[in-house]
Amino acid sequence: DQQVKQNSPSLSVQEGRISILNCDYTNSMFDYFLWYKKYPAEGPTFLISISSIKDKNEDGRFTVFLNKSAKHLSLHIVPSQPGDSAVYFCAASGAFGNEKLTFGTGTRLTIIP
Amino acid sequence: KAGVTQTPRYLIKTRGQQVTLSCSPISGHRSVSWYQQTPGQGLQFLFEYFSETQRNKGNFPGRFSGRQFSNSRSEMNVSTLELGDSALYLCASSLAPTGGTGELFFGEGSRLTVL
Repeated sequence: DQQVKQNSPSLSVQEGRISILNCDYTNSMFDYFLWYKKYPAEGPTFLISISSIKDKNEDGRFTVFLNKSAKHLSLHIVPSQPGDSAVYFCAASGAFGNEKLTFGTGTRLTIIP
Repeated sequence: KAGVTQTPRYLIKTRGQQVTLSCSPISGHRSVSWYQQTPGQGLQFLFEYFSETQRNKGNFPGRFSGRQFSNSRSEMNVSTLELGDSALYLCASSLAPTGGTGELFFGEGSRLTVL
């Protein structure tokens, strides 16, 4: 049972435009959400996070939006740069037996110069 | 500050053999988690250790086991290897157990190929 889903395996975006990566979750006990970025031959690195008490968190070019009623979060990258080409994983955690980080399947983002 | 170190980086085994992977967390980090990454499956949680105790375990068969030592270094073992065990095994460390607001710091992974 995939509790965190990233339905788009890949996404291509023109350099300078906005990249929007989506993530859905099914477990209502999740209350903390993170995005990780992974380059080939490297481990994932933390990008940005959001707590369920917020609906938006911004860090430079990266903004994460959380819609709790829809159980949906998205990562916006503006403007997109070639170095943003990577696989992006969303992850979620909660309390009461859901403490471990549960990851989605990832979306491969390709920025076209 | 040294990052998370995983050894070996690459290894090839045959079906039925066993394998042990090692992970040295960032200095001062007491929590170590293990994940399996396969194409199309994302990162599947294996287990988490904190202060030598297993805190959480994922839905993997008993062939997958792990432990953590007093210096926080961790090992995972897979016995009776199957072709489907071919994957990238990632180790991650954090100061505190996951579930809080701390992020995980990942190593580069150990790529296991089972022939």
